Amino acid sequence: DAKTTQPPSMDCAEGRAANLPCNHSTISGNEYVYWYRQIHSQGPQYIIHGLKNNETNEMASLIITEDRKSSTLILPHATLRDTAVYYCIVRGGSSNTGKLIFGQGTTLQVKP
Amino acid sequence: DAGVIQSPRHEVTEMGQEVTLRCKLISGHNSLFWYRQTMMRGLELLIYFNNNVPIDDSGMPEDRFSAKMPNASFSTLKIQPSEPRDSAVYFCASSLELGISADTQYFGPGTRLTVL
Repeated sequence: DAKTTQPPSMDCAEGRAANLPCNHSTISGNEYVYWYRQIHSQGPQYIIHGLKNNETNEMASLIITEDRKSSTLILPHATLRDTAVYYCIVRGGSSNTGKLIFGQGTTLQVKP
Repeated sequence: DAGVIQSPRHEVTEMGQEVTLRCKLISGHNSLFWYRQTMMRGLELLIYFNNNVPIDDSGMPEDRFSAKMPNASFSTLKIQPSEPRDSAVYFCASSLELGISADTQYFGPGTRLTVL
């Protein structure tokens, strides 16, 4: 599975959009981009995933660049409860084993 | 659905004791994953099963760790004997199936283990 690179930390003002970037320059054609988050002391929580097209659900939007080498997770109206560590993970493809390999993620601090 | 259930939520034990962590999968899910999280190493995959069969246990730290799925909905992770360096939060997660390109893992609340 391809490696991902994320900034270690970001701040966002409450009510504003939080844009979390992720680089995955070695992604292969059939690998998916997944986002999970972990709120303090809880288990990781699935947010969204995508292959090529942009995706949106009730939690967030995922924007994947045309060359698929990077993506951005967008929380449209961040709240204090969105403070968490956000993990960008690439997996799937021909070698899909179901594994999720967690990196260090981005710690998002939403401030009042 | 209640989601993935783990027990106990907290466990404090003394070095050398046996520890058993338990996990109940989401109904209908066929894949089960055990993870460990520490400050130093982050979230690490220990072992995972598909249809009750262990697929990859390369993340299990040593022979003191063992995991089983006695039935399709339940799993245990056992540490015998426990050591202080085993102190961590242990998560299990379940998903519908392996071998498909897009499958979501759902995590339990974790068991916080402290070995004195």
